[in-house]
Amino acid sequence: ETGVTQTPRHLVMGMTNKKSLKCEQHLGHNAMYWYKQSAKKPLELMFVYSLEERVENNSVPSRFSPECPNSSHLFLHLHTLQPEDSALYLCASSQVAGGPRETQYFGPGTRLLVL
Amino acid sequence: RKEVEQDPGPFNVPEGATVAFNCTYSNSASQSFFWYRQDCRKEPKLLMSVYSSGNEDGRFTAQLNRASQYISLLIRDSKLSDSATYLCAVNKLYEGSYIPTFGRGTSLIVHP
Repeated sequence: ETGVTQTPRHLVMGMTNKKSLKCEQHLGHNAMYWYKQSAKKPLELMFVYSLEERVENNSVPSRFSPECPNSSHLFLHLHTLQPEDSALYLCASSQVAGGPRETQYFGPGTRLLVL
Repeated sequence: RKEVEQDPGPFNVPEGATVAFNCTYSNSASQSFFWYRQDCRKEPKLLMSVYSSGNEDGRFTAQLNRASQYISLLIRDSKLSDSATYLCAVNKLYEGSYIPTFGRGTSLIVHP
């Protein structure tokens, strides 16, 4: 399998549930990202990991908890979410983090609905 | 001023038309600029990178104007398959690292 994969592709959860999103990249990259995409809003960068170390956290609420056990895998743990957290969550990778010419390779996303 | 700003459209054009999108950015220290294409209910995919004044790939031409801080994407001889949302992205300098920042996208509809 190549590229960036994400599971699950769709998720419906209640506000009291705990769930996790998984991302895996097969590109040999050293940086991974979580983005949130809501309707009519720009892609919002949530977290950046470089070689399993978190280097950027854009003031994301603590109900979103990332985990990067190695440079190929990235998780987003979700708990006590709100309906406004319903969105498409995209994982991406790049060769390195923070470089001036880095391009993003995106996974297919997890479409999340919080009831 | 938003960091990366795009006209959301939609741009509705006939097949064969030429269409241009603009994207403005606020961080003058930005080094790299990108156009991504996002089909409905799919992930964004890189269309073109722009590091100097411009880049051309077949029917697609991207141009950079650093003085006015905007990037443009020109699509010639539009095809039905060009219908998508086009996202502008800028690697902006923030505390010594470059962080990708996206616009909200411009929607293009090419009709027969």
